[in-house]
Amino acid sequence: GAGVSQSPSNKVTEKGKDVELRCDPISGHTALYWYRQSLGQGLEFLIYFQGNSAPDKSGLPSDRFSAERTGGSVSTLTIQRTQQEDSAVYLCASSDISGRGYTEAFFGQGTRLTVV
Amino acid sequence: SQQGEEDPQALSIQEGENATMNCSYKTSINNLQWYRQNSGRGLVHLILIRSNEREKHSGRLRVTLDTSKKSSSLLITASRAADTASYFCATGCYNTNAGKSTFGDGTTLTVKP
Repeated sequence: GAGVSQSPSNKVTEKGKDVELRCDPISGHTALYWYRQSLGQGLEFLIYFQGNSAPDKSGLPSDRFSAERTGGSVSTLTIQRTQQEDSAVYLCASSDISGRGYTEAFFGQGTRLTVV
Repeated sequence: SQQGEEDPQALSIQEGENATMNCSYKTSINNLQWYRQNSGRGLVHLILIRSNEREKHSGRLRVTLDTSKKSSSLLITASRAADTASYFCATGCYNTNAGKSTFGDGTTLTVKP
């Protein structure tokens, strides 16, 4: 597609329920990133994919968080047994790689998750 | 911990003035990027400067990079009310095993009309 697409745009869920957040990166982009941003805060790195593999999962805050990427394209971030502290905007970004390294990251508009 | 750290955290200026934001980082990088964020949603890439570059311009934006001091600055000249946003720097250190940009907490810029 023309840009990074994330769905849903907004999600309200009850505490304890599982949620799935989807990211469609720019076609052909090798790298895909998930970040989390709480209100008024900076970006918190969650996980990075290079193709379908995740060389860096260091940012996942707990084992309730998992992510996968299939076909080198779409990625899904899953949060199990959601807690109120999971409420945040979840941002996805993708970037390409050139002979000089990775290019800039292109961001989706994010999914605003509210756990009530 | 965050790699890029922006300074100041908040900046308020009058329209027409210049705005300067700084970014410091800790480890070696391949490039440094500046992004803008409106209304807490998606970030928009502004400019990327590579580690072998010292200065780069794009319209009213001027970015400098000093790798010896591990710092970068973003200058917005002749600011406009529409420049009001949060600005983030991100450092890229890309190799075959780990490639991600590490963001700071951002500088919130308010341009008063």
